[in-house]
Amino acid sequence: SQTIHQWPATLVQPVGSPLSLECTVEGTSNPNLYWYRQAAGRGLQLLFYSVGIGQISSEVPQNLSASRPQDRQFILSSKKLLLSDSGFYLCAWTQGYEQYFGPGTRLTVT
Amino acid sequence: GQQLNQSPQSMFIQEGEDVSMNCTSSSIFNTWLWYKQDPGEGPVLLIALYKAGELTSNGRLTAQFGITRKDSFLNISASIPSDVGIYFCAGLTNAGNNRKLIWGLGTSLAVNP
Repeated sequence: SQTIHQWPATLVQPVGSPLSLECTVEGTSNPNLYWYRQAAGRGLQLLFYSVGIGQISSEVPQNLSASRPQDRQFILSSKKLLLSDSGFYLCAWTQGYEQYFGPGTRLTVT
Repeated sequence: GQQLNQSPQSMFIQEGEDVSMNCTSSSIFNTWLWYKQDPGEGPVLLIALYKAGELTSNGRLTAQFGITRKDSFLNISASIPSDVGIYFCAGLTNAGNNRKLIWGLGTSLAVNP
């Protein structure tokens, strides 16, 4: 069966520090991968999606970037965090029409 | 970006009551998905709908894909405390390979035991 992992689960970072969130999927190959951000427990905002290794599409201009160095690995990064980057970050994968989510990373920028 | 119109925004009900929520769009979708999110966790897929008019059940949950392909509803029968959470609808147009979902803003459900 397929599983999706995210780490870390929680993160507190100062403004201006770098960020790296990791997502990995097991039990499937060539999935579409997605990064979402959710503020205040409502509304999922799509940040990036990837249909293959090295292929990244950005949905919203922002302080973040994404990379897909391996088929089942998706990384969300920032060089310098802003207060507005705080939120709940969710990774998801799709094979077919159904999308499945990871457990999320709670990021607090102080 | 594009969003679905999901209503109601929140509901507070008594245990045992039935619940109904819906999503509408100005665009046609080929797939409708319903998710539930518990606090601090990722959304979990409840029901997937693939054909206009389709009615699908998952335990006490029933969802329908509207005939016009522009709407969907989710019903929960005989609610229990563990039904508490945020319910999201999502639509997919199947255009291209990116499989991007369009999301509603969620219905927050509270159940009074």
